[in-house]
Amino acid sequence: QVQLQQWGAGLLKPSETLSLTCAVYGGSFSGYYWSWIRQPPGKGLEWIGEINHSGSTNYNPSLKSRVTISVDTSKNQFSLKLSSVTAADTAVYYCAREIRGYVVVVAATPGYYYYYMDVWGKGTTVTVSS
Amino acid sequence: QSVLTQPPSVSAAPGQKVTISCSGSSSNIGNNYVSWYQQLPGTAPKLLIYENNKRPSGIPDRFSGSKSGTSATLGITGLQTGDEADYYCGTWDSSLSACVFGGGTKLTVL
Repeated sequence: QVQLQQWGAGLLKPSETLSLTCAVYGGSFSGYYWSWIRQPPGKGLEWIGEINHSGSTNYNPSLKSRVTISVDTSKNQFSLKLSSVTAADTAVYYCAREIRGYVVVVAATPGYYYYYMDVWGKGTTVTVSS
Repeated sequence: QSVLTQPPSVSAAPGQKVTISCSGSSSNIGNNYVSWYQQLPGTAPKLLIYENNKRPSGIPDRFSGSKSGTSATLGITGLQTGDEADYYCGTWDSSLSACVFGGGTKLTVL
């Protein structure tokens, strides 16, 4: 079964760049999109962005100016960089595998997106503090 | 402020049934499939329901999902103390071109 192992620096100072990597073991890498999600202490989930094996990315508009997600297909890994961090970026960061697609239920009518994360990493706690 | 709206908390007694609502708009729930996640304390979220009402392998049929218009509902029957967790709804928002989640609902089994 697919497992995601993630790692990266856990303590940063304001204005530094957060850097995390997620490795995929036990399954196909190229057939999926891969995403990063974060969860501030005591708060809900926030999608950061996604990447596929070709390097095609989508980012949360609220973070787009500071986020870069990249992929290394030779190692079945993908990475997150978040620049100019502040205390508001303190969170548990998760990597996850996405299942996504578009379905047309009735011909000649608009379809529906299906989008969910079926495998998650264990999370990395990142604290931003001076 | 989350794009999808969930009640902050729900509670029920063991063996009872509970429902958790998730409200959105036409750009997200209204025109896309909904998923639900269970997050036990100190752990990563776990997929519970996908494509509105489908359960991944290993998820008991005590968990169910439904959607109507711009709202979705997670139902849990035969509540157990082990069901105490935070529950999140999620979907794709076609206007934002982003995945969006609800703020989460904390389930307490009294």
